[in-house]
Amino acid sequence: DQQVKQNSPSLSVQEGRISILNCDYTNSMFDYFLWYKKYPAEGPTFLISISSIKDKNEDGRFTVFLNKSAKHLSLHIVPSQPGDSAVYFCAARHNAGNMLTFGGGTRLMVKP
Amino acid sequence: DVKVTQSSRYLVKRTGEKVFLECVQDMDHENMFWYRQDPGLGLRLIYFSYDVKMKEKGDIPEGYSVSREKKERFSLILESASTNQTSMYLCASSFVRITSGNTIYFGEGSWLTVV
Repeated sequence: DQQVKQNSPSLSVQEGRISILNCDYTNSMFDYFLWYKKYPAEGPTFLISISSIKDKNEDGRFTVFLNKSAKHLSLHIVPSQPGDSAVYFCAARHNAGNMLTFGGGTRLMVKP
Repeated sequence: DVKVTQSSRYLVKRTGEKVFLECVQDMDHENMFWYRQDPGLGLRLIYFSYDVKMKEKGDIPEGYSVSREKKERFSLILESASTNQTSMYLCASSFVRITSGNTIYFGEGSWLTVV
């Protein structure tokens, strides 16, 4: 059973608008969450993260929100740019701290 | 600059062949990981190693084995390749504890096609 789920396999957004990518998790032992961006034929690159003791973290155009009671996090990209088109993975760290569990990914397409 | 290097980017192998995927990291990391990426399934952990000669099964170890004889090198072995192992394989490395997104590093991936 997937402990980290991204229920939207794809998302299409107009350039300049907001992109919202969602992620749900089931394991209460996760204590740190990360978002990765991946282009085809490349490894994932780290985007932004959030600790379970926070509910928001912002870095430029990227903001991650965490709702711990709902076991839900989201990544907001504002404004979206065509270069943001990629697959985005949500990942969660178990509090043992030595590995990550990934979601299935969401393919974001930003149209010019 | 930290590097995780996967020796082969693109491979085509025949069903039943033995396949070796090699990964080398230059950061003296204790942990090394092998994932496979498939559409809709994300990155699934095959095996990880937390020290030389130590290994732990991940979520999908069936059909795979690993070898870690030296700290910097982690090999993924497909003893008898099958078509359902056609996928992108990603190697990663980290220190003992992943403290941020910048403490785990990924290679560029190896595309394996089994025909």
